[in-house]
Amino acid sequence: GAVVSQHPSWVICKSGTSVKIECRSLDFQATTMFWYRQFPKQSLMLMATSNEGSKATYEQGVEKDKFLINHASLTLSTLTVTSAHPEDSSFYICSARELVRDTRANYGYTFGSGTRLTVV
Amino acid sequence: GQQVMQIPQYQHVQEGEDFTTYCNSSTTLSNIQWYKQRPGGHPVFLIQLVKSGEVKKQKRLTFQFGEAKKNSSLHITATQTTDVGTYFCAGDTGRRALTFGSGTRLQVQP
Repeated sequence: GAVVSQHPSWVICKSGTSVKIECRSLDFQATTMFWYRQFPKQSLMLMATSNEGSKATYEQGVEKDKFLINHASLTLSTLTVTSAHPEDSSFYICSARELVRDTRANYGYTFGSGTRLTVV
Repeated sequence: GQQVMQIPQYQHVQEGEDFTTYCNSSTTLSNIQWYKQRPGGHPVFLIQLVKSGEVKKQKRLTFQFGEAKKNSSLHITATQTTDVGTYFCAGDTGRRALTFGSGTRLQVQP
């Protein structure tokens, strides 16, 4: 089935530095990827939709200059958290537009394994 | 904007008891999906419901989609410790990314 690889799994960085998170579709082409953020014991909140070859679409309240998204190829999308602060500490998860199959040939979305970011 | 509410937020059951989580969308959905997230893990797709009134089963799990395509439920019969995790419904309007429900965290006491 469809596999999305996300790296790194976890990262600790100093306040003010930037962190890049990569999301790769391993066995399919993903023209669209989604980036979510999840705080402890909360739901997944959509941050932005990443489209290959064009600008990302950001959700209301998400700073595009702080969370830079690049989707330069059909298999790679990156999220860069710039000038990270402790309040940016969270679990970041990407999801690919391509679909996975359930047992009756219906479809869902494939998620990366997530990146736990801690800003100190 | 679209909102997807889910209840209860948390449920603690004894192994062998049944469990149900309910999901309600503020808008009509083209389909609804269910995901399971284990502690420390990422969401894993369980199933998608498309048709009004649809019912699907996966072993001990039963999924229902409401007639108005705005609500859904997941029922687990005779829970096991392996069922522990957070269950999310996710609404798909067909126009944008999934909107996730608030999730129901299930704890199963052996």
